[in-house]
Amino acid sequence: GESVGLHLPTLSVQEGDNSIINCAYSNSASDYFIWYKQESGKGPQFIIDIRSNMDKRQGQRVTVLLNKTVKHLSLQIAATQPGDSAVYFCAEAGRGGSNYKLTFGKGTLLTVNP
Amino acid sequence: NAGVTQTPKFRVLKTGQSMTLLCAQDMNHEYMYWYRQDPGMGLRLIHYSVGEGTTAKGEVPDGYNVSRLKKQNFLLGLESAAPSQTSVYFCASSEDTDLSAYNEQFFGPGTRLTVL
Repeated sequence: GESVGLHLPTLSVQEGDNSIINCAYSNSASDYFIWYKQESGKGPQFIIDIRSNMDKRQGQRVTVLLNKTVKHLSLQIAATQPGDSAVYFCAEAGRGGSNYKLTFGKGTLLTVNP
Repeated sequence: NAGVTQTPKFRVLKTGQSMTLLCAQDMNHEYMYWYRQDPGMGLRLIHYSVGEGTTAKGEVPDGYNVSRLKKQNFLLGLESAAPSQTSVYFCASSEDTDLSAYNEQFFGPGTRLTVL
């Protein structure tokens, strides 16, 4: 799983399988946790966010789970497609009451094999 | 809408040279940000602006200056470039913050800077 301070982890899955990308965070004071996707040569793109008072949030083909007890965040991608291949970053927001300042993790490289 | 655009896309500088990176957004966003991304790492906030005429320091501001003279533009300046500033620079923008929700940051395509 991903955590600030570790080398970039990688995840390889077969097309059609479900993917789970993990992230450990350190700051209990963060109000929001966000997942961004970055394709090669492009800027990050917002996927989904979850507020700290929630445990789960679903989007289109994606689900984010938040476990505050162990400070763990995960992104689940259903029926992974080749277009999902990218680096996925988790980010925290809301430290000190400013929910616009993002602190990014180092990212996980997802490779989808056809 | 073009969203967030950045110029230039690539640049090579020699140590000690100066340059300015331009970011423009057409979404009428109040907040704008400059990040840098180094290999194998997440983005780190350099400077940000919460409105026209305002700027503030982020996590790694040393060696950079910024200006927000117009709401739609956010400039990042390197007065005397150093090899440690070799990186990919991303600009982003977002609406006014609302503590009841997270306001998505929209990112530009990035500028790849190499300092020799």
